[in-house]
Amino acid sequence: GENVEQHPSTLSVQEGDSAVIKCTYSDSASNYFPWYKQELGKGPQLIIDIRSNVGEKKDQRIAVTLNKTAKHFSLHITETQPEDSAVYFCAASIGNYGQNFVFGPGTRLSVLP
Amino acid sequence: EAGVTQSPTHLIKTRGQQATLRCSPISGHTSVYWYQQALGLGLQFLLWYDEGEERNRGNFPPRFSGRQFPNYSSELNVNALELEDSALYLCASSPAGGGNQPQHFGDGTRLSIL
Repeated sequence: GENVEQHPSTLSVQEGDSAVIKCTYSDSASNYFPWYKQELGKGPQLIIDIRSNVGEKKDQRIAVTLNKTAKHFSLHITETQPEDSAVYFCAASIGNYGQNFVFGPGTRLSVLP
Repeated sequence: EAGVTQSPTHLIKTRGQQATLRCSPISGHTSVYWYQQALGLGLQFLLWYDEGEERNRGNFPPRFSGRQFPNYSSELNVNALELEDSALYLCASSPAGGGNQPQHFGDGTRLSIL
């Protein structure tokens, strides 16, 4: 079945620096890749997603890149702010029509002021 | 637009008891997903309901079950509770029309087994 790996497990950056989180997946049929941010005591919140027919997508300070050949995708956060501190999860769709997701184990990002 | 709502926020039970968790999806969403998130760990898929039917289940024992009602709300039942069932249980919903669509999460029910 699908397996999603995520690195690093923890990441500390100085405020204003960039942060990059990388994920790899195993099922070549996966074609939808969302990213979620989970703050303490809250449920995961969708922050950006990308489909397999697109190589890159950007939304203000957040961007996601996808390399289908290598089966990896990455989240890039620029000009980090303390409120970016949270746990970030990547996911890959599975199933005949992509109804279910397999999530990565998460990255705890700390932005130091 | 109201998001996914879950109740109760916290639930405390003892070993062997039964727990019922509830979820109301975003209006217009027909699919409901349940996940277990043990402390400090990732999300483990439990169950998927669509149009009142169970469509898929994760690698969990049969004492984890649920249902979806005609208004698309859902409940998760956990029987014969064990200590390792202590976790945050998250519900998510997605629109009709097939897969490859984002799932939107509620804030979860924290289940504690004493």
